[in-house]
Amino acid sequence: EAGVTQFPSHSVIEKGQTVTLRCDPISGHDNLYWYRRVMGKEIKFLLHFVKESKQDESGMPNNRFLAERTGGTYSTLKVQPAELEDSGVYFCASSQDLGGYTEAFFGQGTRLTVV
Amino acid sequence: DAKTTQPNSMESNEEEPVHLPCNHSTISGTDYIHWYRQLPSQGPEYVIHGLTSNVNNRMASLAIAEDRKSSTLILHRATLRDAAVYYCILRDVYYGGSQGNLIFGKGTKLSVKP
Repeated sequence: EAGVTQFPSHSVIEKGQTVTLRCDPISGHDNLYWYRRVMGKEIKFLLHFVKESKQDESGMPNNRFLAERTGGTYSTLKVQPAELEDSGVYFCASSQDLGGYTEAFFGQGTRLTVV
Repeated sequence: DAKTTQPNSMESNEEEPVHLPCNHSTISGTDYIHWYRQLPSQGPEYVIHGLTSNVNNRMASLAIAEDRKSSTLILHRATLRDAAVYYCILRDVYYGGSQGNLIFGKGTKLSVKP
């Protein structure tokens, strides 16, 4: 069974440009989460999809970040325009159920560097 | 904020057992105790979780105190590959609002010496 996959693994862009990160969850997992770790900080929650609906987007830092999950399969996270402070590692995770009795599976992450 | 407290770092020798402690004095009756780890340059990886009883799987064991205010992740024989940051996280059995997501703290950085 394929795990959670993220594309690209690395991205270097200039300030002001646009970048789109993609996440393919484990097949059949309705729940998809985005997290990120910026330099020296802890891993922080960004948002949560249940199928194609945004269940919780309380962690999104500002309106330069736009997440979509059309059709309830893969998800994209677009940063437009990118700023220097957006640099970090962006993780995607998926889980079959919502409750605490289930585990989440994480992708390898996308390392974003804004210069 | 994370509802758990862990030591910042621990050291172990290869092939020896490792006990990673976690305090969660404000745990609620419906919180599961989850452990994840993050190896260098990788995403977090699920290790184990439990509610009240001790749990074992192929990776580790989880010992939960009777009052559930603390727990210990046990790696029975540490290998160099076990060097990682280990996170102890509480996750409610019921979903509500933001409780579906995982709240990461600083975790414990485990070093394994050959």
